[in-house]
Amino acid sequence: GDSVTQTEGLVTVTEGLPVKLNCTYQTTYLTIAFFWYVQYLNEAPQVLLKSSTDNKRTEHQGFHATLHKSSSSFHLQKSSAQLSDSALYYCALRGGTGNTGKLIFGLGTTLQVQP
Amino acid sequence: DPKIIQKPKYLVAVTGSEKILICEQYLGHNAMYWYRQSAKKPLEFMFSYSYQKLMDNQTASSRFQPQSSKKNHLDLQITALKPDDSATYFCASSQEAWGSQNTLYFGAGTRLSVL
Repeated sequence: GDSVTQTEGLVTVTEGLPVKLNCTYQTTYLTIAFFWYVQYLNEAPQVLLKSSTDNKRTEHQGFHATLHKSSSSFHLQKSSAQLSDSALYYCALRGGTGNTGKLIFGLGTTLQVQP
Repeated sequence: DPKIIQKPKYLVAVTGSEKILICEQYLGHNAMYWYRQSAKKPLEFMFSYSYQKLMDNQTASSRFQPQSSKKNHLDLQITALKPDDSATYFCASSQEAWGSQNTLYFGAGTRLSVL
């Protein structure tokens, strides 16, 4: 079946250093879109990035990700982590034509940015 | 102001009882969803509704019944509650249900504990 795998658990990084959160997937959908959601403590998950174009870099709020269908990946990266980036990050996959809105999520990765 | 309102934020119930989780969205969207997040599991798709009609149901148990009294409402009735139902339930919406590019927007969730 379709699945999304993320870096498990907690990723700790020092402020100002780069960060990378891994996301790989398995799917039978021919048309797909990928999303990164961020969830701050006691808030709703909110979309951070989305992409459906192979090998095209998508950027938002200093984060970037590139969908690589050849390696089934959509890793999230930032060149310089900020304290305010500390949150729970979800990678999610959505199928194309005929899909009824179902997003397939990974387990989530908690990012902790230390001073 | 939150555009997707979920009530209550926290809910404690006894085994065997019945509860209703409320969701209202003020984004003008035509599709609404319920997702569940249990401990150590990814966000799990439950239902999708489009123009107040059920599009997809991935919940095996009939104890979970969505109710759409208005286009911008999608409540979730849970009967005969079990401890395994303890989870955070997220409501979400998108402009349309179909198409991989439609972004889902989430509410802050209702955390249900069944004793």
